[in-house]
Amino acid sequence: AQSVSQHNHHVILSEAASLELGCNYSYGGTVNLFWYVQYPGQHLQLLLKYFSGDPLVKGIKGFEAEFIKSKFSFNLRKPSVQWSDTAEYFCAVNALSRINDMRFGAGTRLTVKP
Amino acid sequence: GAGVSQSPSNKVTEKGKDVELRCDPISGHTALYWYRQSLGQGLEFLIYFQGNSAPDKSGLPSDRFSAERTGGSVSTLTIQRTQQEDSAVYLCASSLNGNSYEQYFGPGTRLTVT
Repeated sequence: AQSVSQHNHHVILSEAASLELGCNYSYGGTVNLFWYVQYPGQHLQLLLKYFSGDPLVKGIKGFEAEFIKSKFSFNLRKPSVQWSDTAEYFCAVNALSRINDMRFGAGTRLTVKP
Repeated sequence: GAGVSQSPSNKVTEKGKDVELRCDPISGHTALYWYRQSLGQGLEFLIYFQGNSAPDKSGLPSDRFSAERTGGSVSTLTIQRTQQEDSAVYLCASSLNGNSYEQYFGPGTRLTVT
């Protein structure tokens, strides 16, 4: 069965620092990959997604993620974080053979200090 | 337009009681998903509806859990004889159809079993 690992449980950064959140998945077939974000008191919302094509995907608010198939990874990056990026970030994987089975990682809580 | 709504937002119940959680998906969305989010855990897939049918019930943790969807719209998740380990945030999401990968999440119902 597919699974998703997010290695960092809680990340604390100062404003303007660079961010990289790790995400690895275990599934050998073709996958769709997602990052969702949950700001304090708000719903989960889609940050970015990868289906096919350019493995470097750009999302909202300056976030990007790179799909590295050989490493089964889909790490999230942002060159310069802001206080407003404080949120919980979830990586999710969906195997094309089970299109309605979305597996989420445990989440990474990001705290950005002003 | 209106997003996914869930009710109640919070529910405290005594162990052994039954609870019903409601989800109103985005109008026109044919696919509906239920997830459970426990503290420190990722989102656990529970069940998926395409229209009124549930082709995948594999995520329901026990036979105390059931869900239905009527009119291709509102869904209810029922937990019978609640246990303390059922305490979690129950999230509902909808998508345009079963092949549309972007899921829109509701605010969740926080269930506490005492």
